[in-house]
Amino acid sequence: GAGVSQSPSNKVTEKGKDVELRCDPISGHTALYWYRQSLGQGLEFLIYFQGNSAPDKSGLPSDRFSAERTGGSVSTLTIQRTQQEDSAVYLCASSFVGVGAGEQYFGPGTRLTVT
Amino acid sequence: DQQVKQNSPSLSVQEGRISILNCDYTNSMFDYFLWYKKYPAEGPTFLISISSIKDKNEDGRFTVFLNKSAKHLSLHIVPSQPGDSAVYFCAAKYVRGGSNYKLTFGKGTLLTVNP
Repeated sequence: GAGVSQSPSNKVTEKGKDVELRCDPISGHTALYWYRQSLGQGLEFLIYFQGNSAPDKSGLPSDRFSAERTGGSVSTLTIQRTQQEDSAVYLCASSFVGVGAGEQYFGPGTRLTVT
Repeated sequence: DQQVKQNSPSLSVQEGRISILNCDYTNSMFDYFLWYKKYPAEGPTFLISISSIKDKNEDGRFTVFLNKSAKHLSLHIVPSQPGDSAVYFCAAKYVRGGSNYKLTFGKGTLLTVNP
């Protein structure tokens, strides 16, 4: 079946502009995650959605970042008034929910460059 | 504070030999450890995991060893193949306290397998 898809694959934007990144999770996965990977760093957790529960936004670096998940499926990560330090690869993942290792399936990412 | 550390940014091995990738952690509450592999321009893909109650898990050419007293785990790949060349991320999670979804990642190790 289809994996996690993300769009766009690359985005170049000017400092101060808003951007929207999209994630389409694997069908049937109730959990959805956003991470980002800055140059030379590991993956940094941003936000988590699970079913109809309130999302865990504890990883969002500032109030310029927001995300929503419509209908329990597609998610959009929005960054307002982008800054150069927002440049990174933004990765979306989805999974089933339960105890255990909880394997997360990642999309290919969106490479964001803020000039 | 980096809770998962991969101190070797890169490793180079000869085809057919063993690759050993190391990972250290500081949080003794972690219940599961996972290894992901990442090729350029792709999202990370799950490789293998281990529960904190075990000290070894094997899957084909991949074996993960866990030393809880030393807070250290390692991924062994034998025999190494050129197609194994990728960035390997160590990740950890804990299932208590309602945060059983967040993965905490190391910065990754670039493995190069030379033909």
